Amino acid sequence: AQSVSQHNHHVILSEAASLELGCNYSYGGTVNLFWYVQYPGQHLQLLLKYFSGDPLVKGIKGFEAEFIKSKFSFNLRKPSVQWSDTAEYFCAVNTGGFKTIFGAGTRLFVKA
Amino acid sequence: SAVISQKPSRDICQRGTSLTIQCQVDSQVTMMFWYRQQPGQSLTLIATANQGSEATYESGFVIDKFPISRPNLTFSTLTVSNMSPEDSSIYLCSVYTEAYEQYFGPGTRLTVT
Repeated sequence: AQSVSQHNHHVILSEAASLELGCNYSYGGTVNLFWYVQYPGQHLQLLLKYFSGDPLVKGIKGFEAEFIKSKFSFNLRKPSVQWSDTAEYFCAVNTGGFKTIFGAGTRLFVKA
Repeated sequence: SAVISQKPSRDICQRGTSLTIQCQVDSQVTMMFWYRQQPGQSLTLIATANQGSEATYESGFVIDKFPISRPNLTFSTLTVSNMSPEDSSIYLCSVYTEAYEQYFGPGTRLTVT
């Protein structure tokens, strides 16, 4: 069965530290990849997406993610986190149609 | 983009009762989706609500437990029936726009005692 794995459930960083959240999926075909973010008290919202082309995609607020097809990975990165990045981050994979599979989420807490 | 609202935002219910959750979208959409997010777990798709036809349920979810209505292109309801503590969860309504991007409602936090 298709699945999405996020490596860390909880991450605690100090401001200005670099961030990398791991995401791996199991599906051998063409995928559309997403990272969603949920800030405290807010809706889930799209952070960035990959459909095709350059495997390094940039999203809002300085986030980027790299699609490595050979590793079935789509890791999220940010060079320098801010306190306002405290949120829960979800990796998601769409394999076509209206079926998107979500990872379990990673809760990021950034210490000011 | 799409703006989605849900009612209620949260509720505490007794075992054996039912709760109906409403979802309103600010634009017409063909399909609306209901998810469950249990504590510490991923989002799980419950069903797809199509206007003018029966909802399509995912494995492990049945219509008797989670009846869905879709009376028009901007509104849907999900009922959680005969609730048990295991139904305590956040229930989310979602729609897709082009390119399979999803927009989510704020969620309904349900606690069953």
